[in-house]
Amino acid sequence: GENVEQHPSTLSVQEGDSAVIKCTYSDSASNYFPWYKQELGKGPQLIIDIRSNVGEKKDQRIAVTLNKTAKHFSLHITETQPEDSAVYFCAASIRAGGTSYGKLTFGQGTILTVHP
Amino acid sequence: DGGITQSPKYLFRKEGQNVTLSCEQNLNHDAMYWYRQDPGQGLRLIYYSQIVNDFQKGDIAEGYSVSREKKESFPLTVTSAQKNPTAFYLCASSIDLGLRYNEQFFGPGTRLTVL
Repeated sequence: GENVEQHPSTLSVQEGDSAVIKCTYSDSASNYFPWYKQELGKGPQLIIDIRSNVGEKKDQRIAVTLNKTAKHFSLHITETQPEDSAVYFCAASIRAGGTSYGKLTFGQGTILTVHP
Repeated sequence: DGGITQSPKYLFRKEGQNVTLSCEQNLNHDAMYWYRQDPGQGLRLIYYSQIVNDFQKGDIAEGYSVSREKKESFPLTVTSAQKNPTAFYLCASSIDLGLRYNEQFFGPGTRLTVL
């Protein structure tokens, strides 16, 4: 099955710096790659996703890049703010076909701390 | 206000007892999921359901059971057979099982502690 590796496990930056989190996946059939942000004691929130037919997607200070050949994708946060501090998870999914289930496989998470 | 609700937020259980976690959604989503989260780990899939009266085991179903009698509701029972039940439990839903792309939305979670 699919395996997703996420690095680093912890990341500490100063406010205003950029943060980059990287994930690799094993199944070349994966075609959907969401990123989730989880604040302490809460459920994960979808912040951005990318599909295999594009290489990059941006939403204000957040961007995601996908390299299908190398089977890795990354989350980039620019101009970080203290409220960006949270745990970030990447995931990968193979699109379902017919009655086949498109399972989400998650990375282990990155604890991001932004210091004022 | 559409979304996913889970109750209770905190739950304490004595060893040997079964306990049921509630999950309700008003997003009109067909598919629902239960995940378990342990400290420092990603989310692991317990059960999922594509449609009412249908559900399938995920990666770590042993010691858990579910039902899907209504589209809006997908309760999870943690049985006494689950050897290490203390964890944070997350419910999620999606429009379908990823016939397009599997965009899942999560509830706020229930923290279960076995005393």
